[in-house]
Amino acid sequence: GAGVSQSPRYKVAKRGQDVALRCDPISGHVSLFWYQQALGQGPEFLTYFQNEAQLDKSGLPSDRFFAERPEGSVSTLKIQRTQQEDSAVYLCASSLEDREGQPQHFGDGTRLSIL
Amino acid sequence: AQSVSQHNHHVILSEAASLELGCNYSYGGTVNLFWYVQYPGQHLQLLLKYFSGDPLVKGIKGFEAEFIKSKFSFNLRKPSVQWSDTAEYFCAVNGGSGTYKYIFGTGTRLKVLA
Repeated sequence: GAGVSQSPRYKVAKRGQDVALRCDPISGHVSLFWYQQALGQGPEFLTYFQNEAQLDKSGLPSDRFFAERPEGSVSTLKIQRTQQEDSAVYLCASSLEDREGQPQHFGDGTRLSIL
Repeated sequence: AQSVSQHNHHVILSEAASLELGCNYSYGGTVNLFWYVQYPGQHLQLLLKYFSGDPLVKGIKGFEAEFIKSKFSFNLRKPSVQWSDTAEYFCAVNGGSGTYKYIFGTGTRLKVLA
C-alpha cells in the first residue's frame, strides 16, 4: 500500500530485553518522525530525521532509546534493557517535504507491552 | 515550551447534534495547526490544517475549524454529527524556529449515539 507501514503491530517483551521497531515511510518522503503514545495520552515526540540525518532527538526519554535511518528510508527504533514504563504505542510518521506546516502521515503503530 | 490543551476528554452526542471540540495552544509565535482523527482500529488521519490565510478552515467529512489568534484557539466544529464520527480527535501544533515536530493535545474521545 501507499501508507506508512510499521512492524510488528504488537510486541510483548520481558523487562530487560531489547526490542527493535521498524518503520517503512511513504516512498520519497524526506522527513520521518517517531512518537510515543501512552494510554489515554496524546502522542509525544521522540525523534526526527531529515533523510538519513537525525536532526532532533530531544524527545528520547533516556539513552536506552536509539533510532536510525541509515539510507534515508526505513527507520528502526531500538529500546535497550526495556522497563515497564516503556509500555506504549510507538507511532511513526512521514512527510513529503522538510518544512513547517507539512502534514504528517501516520502508521498504525506498534503496541509494546513490557512484562 | 509549547503545549496544547484539549478541554473535553470524553464527549457523548446523539446523531444530528452539533459538535465543538476545544483546542488551545501556548506558543505565541507563528504556528501551524492540525486536527487529526483516529477511528477505532485505524491510524491517525488528517482532518484539516491551518498555516496561513483564511482563519476558517474546512476539512474532510464536513468538519471545520476556526483559528482565533487572540485566543490561541483552534476549535473543531461540525454542524451535525453522524454515528460514523465516533472516534478520538487530536489537536496538534507545530511551528517556530524550524520545529517540524508536532505537539499534541491529550485527545477527545467522541461517542455518537445512533
